[in-house]
Amino acid sequence: GQQLNQSPQSMFIQEGEDVSMNCTSSSIFNTWLWYKQDPGEGPVLLIALYKAGELTSNGRLTAQFGITRKDSFLNISASIPSDVGIYFCAGQGGSEKLVFGKGTKLTVNP
Amino acid sequence: NAGVMQNPRHLVRRRGQEARLRCSPMKGHSHVYWYRQLPEEGLKFMVYLQKENIIDESGMPKERFSAEFPKEGPSILRIQQVVRGDSAAYFCASSPRELAEPNEQFFGPGTRLTVL
Repeated sequence: GQQLNQSPQSMFIQEGEDVSMNCTSSSIFNTWLWYKQDPGEGPVLLIALYKAGELTSNGRLTAQFGITRKDSFLNISASIPSDVGIYFCAGQGGSEKLVFGKGTKLTVNP
Repeated sequence: NAGVMQNPRHLVRRRGQEARLRCSPMKGHSHVYWYRQLPEEGLKFMVYLQKENIIDESGMPKERFSAEFPKEGPSILRIQQVVRGDSAAYFCASSPRELAEPNEQFFGPGTRLTVL
């Protein structure tokens, strides 16, 4: 089945630092998505990317849909303590089901 | 407008028992998706349902698992004769229509199933 490789698995950073994480796939996706999951909660959509090459921002978050449609990255600038959580990439192909990466666990030290 | 509701939030079962997980979609949403999340893993698609119909069950294990979304009431994910490997968080998401955009799909808080 389709799989997404997400890296890094975890990150420990100081407040104010920038963060970058990415996902790659052996399959092409039509849509790339980035979610954040807080402990004990469901994932919440942060950014959705619909076109190859698209670069989209949402506040301090910026994400890009790779030209090959097989990869995406998420950047978080000037991290703050509430950025702590697990970030997931997800791809959507020809159907509505989502394929998720294994997540990047972010810890921000004040 | 309440979000996607799931209950129970936590469920403990002994091996061999049945587990029933409920999902009430957002108001006006008639499409439901179930995902399973094992510890330290991402979510994995299980099944996609519309009212009274199963549209895609390609991610459902062939045995012991079933799902329904009746005309009235919540969607139910049923696991018979649970085993320890069924311990996971089960999430449902809902959307208002077919071919909904990702920003129209909302996840519930999940049910954490523990099998002793």
